[in-house]
Amino acid sequence: AQKVTQAQTEISVVEKEDVTLDCVYETRDTTYYLFWYKQPPSGELVFLIRRNSFDEQNEISGRYSWNFQKSTSSFNFTITASQVVDSAVYFCALSEPSGSARQLTFGSGTQLTVLP
Amino acid sequence: SQTIHQWPATLVQPVGSPLSLECTVEGTSNPNLYWYRQAAGRGLQLLFYSVGIGQISSEVPQNLSASRPQDRQFILSSKKLLLSDSGFYLCAWSRRNGETQYFGPGTRLLVL
Repeated sequence: AQKVTQAQTEISVVEKEDVTLDCVYETRDTTYYLFWYKQPPSGELVFLIRRNSFDEQNEISGRYSWNFQKSTSSFNFTITASQVVDSAVYFCALSEPSGSARQLTFGSGTQLTVLP
Repeated sequence: SQTIHQWPATLVQPVGSPLSLECTVEGTSNPNLYWYRQAAGRGLQLLFYSVGIGQISSEVPQNLSASRPQDRQFILSSKKLLLSDSGFYLCAWSRRNGETQYFGPGTRLLVL
């Protein structure tokens, strides 16, 4: 069975600090996809990034960066120079095939609070 | 571009009453559609998914059911709500054979 663990339940930082959100996953599939979503107070889940299991290149998008390490089954997310608007719950997710659809297994989320 | 709508945004219902939540997607054809529930404490649980009209797969046996009467419409229903049905219900879509799911704004349901 697939499993995603986000051990950090809550993180609080001061604006402009860097912060890393951890994600560890378990799967028996050789082909899989990993995701990060952001859930602001409004509730809607906002897609941030998708990574497939064959692409271990790190990715940077503005202040966001992702570190995928297959050897440790981790897919960590770093926010550089955090801002108050980054305050949200962040979810890591893993997908598995199910017929013509893919099911997402979510971690329990990390509540990030950025203080001014 | 594609958009996904959910309504109502908020709902307060008494125990034992029926439920109907609606989700529609615009700007795409033949999407896969999903219903998730997020209870207090944040975890997201997949309830149902559909790969086509009339095709529903259930992940968790419970008090709820889903239907897909049209290609881009997905409905979550219950004949009699339970207190434990309270939560935040999210609809999502993906392209057929697509990997990424895109979520709607959600419906907050409170059962009293």
